[in-house]
Amino acid sequence: EVQLVESGGGLVQPGGSLRLSCAASGFSFSSYELSWVRQAPGKGLEWISYISRGGSIESYADSVQGRFTISRDNAKNSMHLQMNSLRADDTAVYYCVRDRGTGWLDYWGQGTLVTVSS
Amino acid sequence: NFMLTQPRSVSASPGKTVTISCTRSSGSIANNYVHWYQQRPGSAPTAVIYEGNQRASGVPARFSGSIDSSSNSASLIISGLKTEDEADYYCQSFENRNRVFGGGTKLTVL
Repeated sequence: EVQLVESGGGLVQPGGSLRLSCAASGFSFSSYELSWVRQAPGKGLEWISYISRGGSIESYADSVQGRFTISRDNAKNSMHLQMNSLRADDTAVYYCVRDRGTGWLDYWGQGTLVTVSS
Repeated sequence: NFMLTQPRSVSASPGKTVTISCTRSSGSIANNYVHWYQQRPGSAPTAVIYEGNQRASGVPARFSGSIDSSSNSASLIISGLKTEDEADYYCQSFENRNRVFGGGTKLTVL
């Protein structure tokens, strides 16, 4: 069974940093691309970052470019999102998602809540 | 980047058919696959249709997807509506490495 489990969310002050992690199991981790998708309270889904199978290619939404960094460790079946210079509008549930070559996001974690507030 | 526009809400009665549209702002809708997700309150999204018209595992045949190049839009069609279909639905496509979501449509089954 494919499982994606996010961790690392919590309350952080504006300007602060947070590192999210995603632990994967039930599939050949290094064979799949991955993405992060977030959802602000009461709002829609927003894709924020993508990483290729080997980790050499990254892509970011304009809203997080230059502040967030995606990475993965294929030896540990894990993915991370380093979030710096956090703002109130980064408050959201962050989902770890398995990403197919056609852009299809076929498996989603349950999400981790990040709250940016003073 | 392009945008995907969906109606904010749609509603229909049980047993009826509903269509949710997803219009691409620039570039052809046929250039890249369109996928559809269902999200029930308090839950993570799940895929219902992928690559335009393929049903995800476990999704009933009542769900289907289509593309209309003339209106540059994709559609999710749900027939034989059930109360359990009430949820938010999102279309999504991509260009290069960037993924783009529509704003979401709230389906109410009256």
